[in-house]
Amino acid sequence: SYVLTQPPSVSVAPGQTARLTCGGNKIGDKTVHWYQQRPGQAPALVVYNDNDRPSGIPERFSGSNSGNTATLTISRVEAGDEADFYCQVWDSRSDPSVIIGGGTKLTVL
Amino acid sequence: QVTLKESGPVLVKPTETLRLTCSVSGFSLSNAAVGVGWLRRPPGKALEWLAHIFSNDETSHSTTLKNRLAISTDTSKSQVILTMTNMDPVDTATYYCARIHLLWFGKLLSGYYFDSWGQGTLVTVSS
Repeated sequence: SYVLTQPPSVSVAPGQTARLTCGGNKIGDKTVHWYQQRPGQAPALVVYNDNDRPSGIPERFSGSNSGNTATLTISRVEAGDEADFYCQVWDSRSDPSVIIGGGTKLTVL
Repeated sequence: QVTLKESGPVLVKPTETLRLTCSVSGFSLSNAAVGVGWLRRPPGKALEWLAHIFSNDETSHSTTLKNRLAISTDTSKSQVILTMTNMDPVDTATYYCARIHLLWFGKLLSGYYFDSWGQGTLVTVSS
């Protein structure tokens, strides 16, 4: 079964750039989606199809995907960005095909 | 406006069966471009995918929970139902339903993502 690996935690100071990684074998060949879950709230889609943003998501959120690593980059981090972030892919060779990473907790210092 | 809302018991006893309902609005469960999934998040743990259903009634379930899960739709009521048998305290979690946006490569399903989520419902399993 396909595995997505995310670091458990990332810390960044306000105004700095946070880079959250999602590792997987040849993940660059797959399409990656990212979700943000703020404390006490439901998850929300922040990036889909590697680097597209749903309406309402700030341009500060961007995604990239190549080789064995996909990255969610958050520029000019704000206190309100503090949340858990999950990456997700589809792997047709796995059962089930929906694969979700273990999540990264972003802490804004 | 797309909305999803989960409903069901807040407390179930061990060995009981959980039945959760996801009521949707703003889209049709008959729409071939979308589906509905169920996910959960236990306290202090990661988000976990449970099951999905598409408009053609195609379903898939978590392999670790497969024998305990069932997902179905009542299109006339715009509802998706998840049942989980033999509940255990480890199943204590916030359960979410989410709309699925399907991705296609020609006529082949190539993946999907969850583009709208319900607020979630906390289910506690305890005697």
